[in-house]
Amino acid sequence: GESVGLHLPTLSVQEGDNSIINCAYSNSASDYFIWYKQESGKGPQFIIDIRSNMDKRQGQRVTVLLNKTVKHLSLQIAATQPGDSAVYFCAETLNKGGSYIPTFGRGTSLIVHP
Amino acid sequence: ETGVTQSPTHLIKTRGQQVTLRCSSQSGHNTVSWYQQALGQGPQFIFQYYREEENGRGNFPPRFSGLQFPNYSSELNVNALELDDSALYLCASSPWTGANYGYTFGSGTRLTVV
Repeated sequence: GESVGLHLPTLSVQEGDNSIINCAYSNSASDYFIWYKQESGKGPQFIIDIRSNMDKRQGQRVTVLLNKTVKHLSLQIAATQPGDSAVYFCAETLNKGGSYIPTFGRGTSLIVHP
Repeated sequence: ETGVTQSPTHLIKTRGQQVTLRCSSQSGHNTVSWYQQALGQGPQFIFQYYREEENGRGNFPPRFSGLQFPNYSSELNVNALELDDSALYLCASSPWTGANYGYTFGSGTRLTVV
């Protein structure tokens, strides 16, 4: 999920399909990762997180996979619904002197067609 | 339990003016972070406040400053506004500075500089 300027990567799917959104992170020392969903006119909303000592975590209809070897995260959404249409961001965090400050990627726009 | 609230929701300023944005943190949260989100980009970290002091800063010039009050609410001040300051400004609160969870965003203030 990288983008430059106004041209976010876009994933278009049909309702009911499974969606996979990818993200490359930058810091191999990052120890905690979060996926956020941002709908138009709203702030980012937490979806799911994963620690660096894990490679998979499942939530309700969502799964996050972490591949530390290639610094890659993915978010899988099962049975995608029109309400899932939004921009999705991955964020990496690193403990800096006791503070965790998420650093965001550039986002992927998910469009779900009914 | 209330979430993070930001005010105003929208405003328009002229280049060279000063602006103050406000944020009320979620109940039980004592740490506030501010982000700038340009159109089509991910949120960029400006700074974080904990116990009324700045606790980390991103790559933003000194004309971006902030305050945190005893009730944990916060202000973001931007002096000498530039056209490139036009963006969505997001506030996020968290339970404590060392928390890598519970990071809750407000809906943002849309600032337009003309």
